[in-house]
Amino acid sequence: QQPVQSPQAVILREGEDAVINCSSSKALYSVHWYRQKHGEAPVFLMILLKGGEQKGHEKISASFNEKKQQSSLYLTASQLSYSGTYFCGTEVGYQKVTFGTGTKLQVIP
Amino acid sequence: DGGITQSPKYLFRKEGQNVTLSCEQNLNHDAMYWYRQDPGQGLRLIYYSQIVNDFQKGDIAEGYSVSREKKESFPLTVTSAQKNPTAFYLCASSIDGGQGYYEQYFGPGTRLTVT
Repeated sequence: QQPVQSPQAVILREGEDAVINCSSSKALYSVHWYRQKHGEAPVFLMILLKGGEQKGHEKISASFNEKKQQSSLYLTASQLSYSGTYFCGTEVGYQKVTFGTGTKLQVIP
Repeated sequence: DGGITQSPKYLFRKEGQNVTLSCEQNLNHDAMYWYRQDPGQGLRLIYYSQIVNDFQKGDIAEGYSVSREKKESFPLTVTSAQKNPTAFYLCASSIDGGQGYYEQYFGPGTRLTVT
């Protein structure tokens, strides 16, 4: 079963912050985050493992609450290049990743 | 350059015909995956394979078949039994980096249109 992402879409002005949430009904080994720009393949952003801490780089970070089976992606001081569709992927079995329906993010000047 | 290739980029078929989508990787990755992408439904897992000569059904395997005879190749056949085959198909691969860490690398995709 696919994880549920929220919001489905969000529009930001440059410099604003955003949070994208991902929730699963199953126990998770890990959570992956990917970004897909229009007409391109998804690109890996980060993975959060059970027992792991908040991960991130630059202005994109994420957290993973194992007990609640939830993850959140934090985008700080958004840039135009952040525009795209963000997918969370939940690993419910070894190397079996199921992706959510995606969150479309648009950053405008 | 290492990567994943999918061919062709666009594919058109008549209803009732089987069609095979190609996926090749030269990353020496053990695991390979097929996803289907439809507007508003994200990426849905069709099949995945962790090693050669072994594969498992994903969430929407009905009407599809795969083979994994070589490590670098994971072709997907869309059969006439698939009710709504028109979609964007993405192939991916990954390797276990240890301690549970791995990332998926995606190919450029094949857009299949069946009329």
